[in-house]
Amino acid sequence: DVKVTQSSRYLVKRTGEKVFLECVQDMDHENMFWYRQDPGLGLRLIYFSYDVKMKEKGDIPEGYSVSREKKERFSLILESASTNQTSMYLCASRYPGTGRNTEAFFGQGTRLTVV
Amino acid sequence: EDQVTQSPEALRLQEGESSSLNCSYTVSGLRGLFWYRQDPGKGPEFLFTLYSAGEEKEKERLKATLTKKESFLHITAPKPEDSATYLCAVRGYYNTDKLIFGTGTRLQVFP
Repeated sequence: DVKVTQSSRYLVKRTGEKVFLECVQDMDHENMFWYRQDPGLGLRLIYFSYDVKMKEKGDIPEGYSVSREKKERFSLILESASTNQTSMYLCASRYPGTGRNTEAFFGQGTRLTVV
Repeated sequence: EDQVTQSPEALRLQEGESSSLNCSYTVSGLRGLFWYRQDPGKGPEFLFTLYSAGEEKEKERLKATLTKKESFLHITAPKPEDSATYLCAVRGYYNTDKLIFGTGTRLQVFP
């Protein structure tokens, strides 16, 4: 079974702190993603990576950065946390392309609260 | 613009009462329609991928179907453990890296 593991289930951080969210996958997937999920807005893509050290902005990258130094690990960084970044953060991974078996698999989520 | 709309927003069923969830989509060149199940406070769990109109997939009490404009997730004789939010997402020809998600249908099944 595919396993995508996020380092924390719950986090509480203070405004202005630098926050690191870590994600590890064990399926040798090239593509990895960070989404945030808010009530009524669905899942929105923050950043994705299609290879080590490669990254692309998603729909809402402002206030975030990412790091992918190893294939299995994708980190989301909140440079200076703000209360409007309180949300559920979801990491996903998949094989590239559009053929069969390219569905995305998600981690269990990190509920981040910024106070 | 690629778009996904799910209905209803919420659905309450009695155990054993079959029903369907709808996912309407607009996408330039469908490269996959995906169904996920999400339990409260957890990440989405992959259920099905559909690629072309007429395709159907089944898993236990769930059956997903696809037309050129929408997908249905049919739930036959649901049980309380089927209670969850069901998410639909599409991948389009012009942006194959990105999934466009609907906001989900929250299903509650009562004994």
